[in-house]
Amino acid sequence: AQTVTQSQPEMSVQEAETVTLSCTYDTSESNYYLFWYKQPPSRQMILVIRQEAYKQQNATENRFSVNFQKAAKSFSLKISDSQLGDTAMYFCAFMSGGTQGGSEKLVFGKGTKLTVNP
Amino acid sequence: DAGITQSPRHKVTETGTPVTLRCHQTENHRYMYWYRQDPGHGLRLIHYSYGVKDTDKGEVSDGYSVSRSKTEDFLLTLESATSSQTSVYFCATQEREGLYQTQYFGPGTRLLVL
Repeated sequence: AQTVTQSQPEMSVQEAETVTLSCTYDTSESNYYLFWYKQPPSRQMILVIRQEAYKQQNATENRFSVNFQKAAKSFSLKISDSQLGDTAMYFCAFMSGGTQGGSEKLVFGKGTKLTVNP
Repeated sequence: DAGITQSPRHKVTETGTPVTLRCHQTENHRYMYWYRQDPGHGLRLIHYSYGVKDTDKGEVSDGYSVSRSKTEDFLLTLESATSSQTSVYFCATQEREGLYQTQYFGPGTRLLVL
């Protein structure tokens, strides 16, 4: 079974600075997807960024980018120019790239609580 | 994001009573999921559906049942609620654009079992 590990339960960063959240995963599959979700105090789960394992290029979405190291099974999230609104729980998640619809379930890490300080 | 609503948003119930949570989507997504979120555990899959009347168990399915009679609705039932089922419950739907699979989440239901 796949597992996802987030080794940093809590982190803090000053506004406008850069912070990196770590995520490692364990799988024997070669085709899969990785995600970062953000959960602000409202508890809504918001997709931040997605990476396909077959792509060598790291995904970017505005101030958010990932460092995907397939051989090391590492998938870190970098937030540049941190803003107060980035304060949230961040979850790393793994999805198998199976062809059977519905079998592609998300496996989540336990989350990293990020606080952006003014 | 997919138009996903959950009802109720908050519920307090007593041990031993049945509880049904509803997830409704407007995007005609085929796949729907129920997760629970507990401190220290992240989100864990309870049950999922891959079509009308097609459901399967997830990681933490004991004590829960589901039903899906229409594409847009996915119901989660606690037949006899227990205090260990106090949690926040999230529904998710999945779109599939070729190889691009993404799950979108509803706003969550906070359930307290006394």
